[in-house]
Amino acid sequence: AQSVTQLGSHVSVSEGALVLLRCNYSSSVPPYLFWYVQYPNQGLQLLLKYTSAATLVKGINGFEAEFKKSETSFHLTKPSAHMSDAAEYFCAVSDGANFGNEKLTFGTGTRLTIIP
Amino acid sequence: EAGVTQFPSHSVIEKGQTVTLRCDPISGHDNLYWYRRVMGKEIKFLLHFVKESKQDESGMPNNRFLAERTGGTYSTLKVQPAELEDSGVYFCASSQEAGRGKYNEQFFGPGTRLTVL
Repeated sequence: AQSVTQLGSHVSVSEGALVLLRCNYSSSVPPYLFWYVQYPNQGLQLLLKYTSAATLVKGINGFEAEFKKSETSFHLTKPSAHMSDAAEYFCAVSDGANFGNEKLTFGTGTRLTIIP
Repeated sequence: EAGVTQFPSHSVIEKGQTVTLRCDPISGHDNLYWYRRVMGKEIKFLLHFVKESKQDESGMPNNRFLAERTGGTYSTLKVQPAELEDSGVYFCASSQEAGRGKYNEQFFGPGTRLTVL
């Protein structure tokens, strides 16, 4: 079984400040890990993914995440927040060995607010 | 290229009524997934189609939910009869076969917001 915990359902940061959204996972098999973003009235958009290659993953819009197996974490960061980053962010995990049924297990989401 | 589309975007129904949600995947995508997010909670997997076959329906909450994908193109998710706890946002996602041993990225639709009164 797999699970994801996102610490902080709401996070506020000032424009230009560091963004850090936390994600911890639990998985009995090698995981694939993802961050998705949902802007208002839109679908989920993939920000970045870890699929057992480099542990530091770079995504779109300046975001990156680091897979730390020892800490079972996959925290999302961005050095400098922009107003357009305001959205809801979801961390997800899938079974990295189960090609053909890559159903995702999501966290409860973190709503990011950017303070001007 | 058109993305995943879902219809309707919003649906408000009375308890006991029937509702049918539709998902049109990206053309050529064999994999189709349904997920649901109940307010304030995590997005949960419902089921997975490969073409017209149900690969995994372990997340379907009960037999009031019926999913179909006739012809392996679009899919419908019917709730009959609807209950209050069925309210939430229903997402559809699709992916193509990326090749042996490769991850098949899922592309999500905008969701259908279902409200049962």
